[in-house]
Amino acid sequence: DADVTQTPRNRITKTGKRIMLECSQTKGHDRMYWYRQDPGLGLRLIYYSFDVKDINKGEISDGYSVSRQAQAKFSLSLESAIPNQTALYFCATSGGTSGRVRSDEQFFGPGTRLTVL
Amino acid sequence: GNSVTQMEGPVTLSEEAFLTINCTYTATGYPSLFWYVQYPGEGLQLLLKATKADDKGSNKGFEATYRKETTSFHLEKGSVQVSDSAVYFCALSRGVGNQFYFGTGTSLTVIP
Repeated sequence: DADVTQTPRNRITKTGKRIMLECSQTKGHDRMYWYRQDPGLGLRLIYYSFDVKDINKGEISDGYSVSRQAQAKFSLSLESAIPNQTALYFCATSGGTSGRVRSDEQFFGPGTRLTVL
Repeated sequence: GNSVTQMEGPVTLSEEAFLTINCTYTATGYPSLFWYVQYPGEGLQLLLKATKADDKGSNKGFEATYRKETTSFHLEKGSVQVSDSAVYFCALSRGVGNQFYFGTGTSLTVIP
């Protein structure tokens, strides 16, 4: 089974609709991230969370909100979707250790392709 | 600030050709550097990493050396295969909570 899962994998919605993207992980990591990927722009950080009680805005948080329901779950919401939020969305986790040292490697889910009409 | 600049694609090579994808970075202090690969329809996977100057990361025939004097982390492979066709992202990890900063990605297509 995949360590980082995202649901749904594909979603088509209309302008103004509220939508939630979900991410779950079985890696036991404390840190979770949401990114969006756009052609020619790479990945840009939307929000990140160090633990259940710690949420931080990333580079492009406007129009998005998040919820860390548990250590293993991190949801991204679009309160009122607009067409320029059409993108590929990735969840990632980090926080593993290599010996006594915390690893900074991030592990990515398979992505959610969102289309806003 | 922190940023990564990588070579624009797309890149098309014949099988067994030599590959270089350039990556340079701007960062305060001493970042960790990464190459991630994204195969069609999949998420990003770590390809290799280096955590300090002069370290060489290597995996699956790919290599990259952390060059602090030139702030570079170029990806190389001596003989590419069709199965290497993917998008490659250079990234650095720096700052609170090891935020990642990604380059824009370079698409590689290897033809038989």
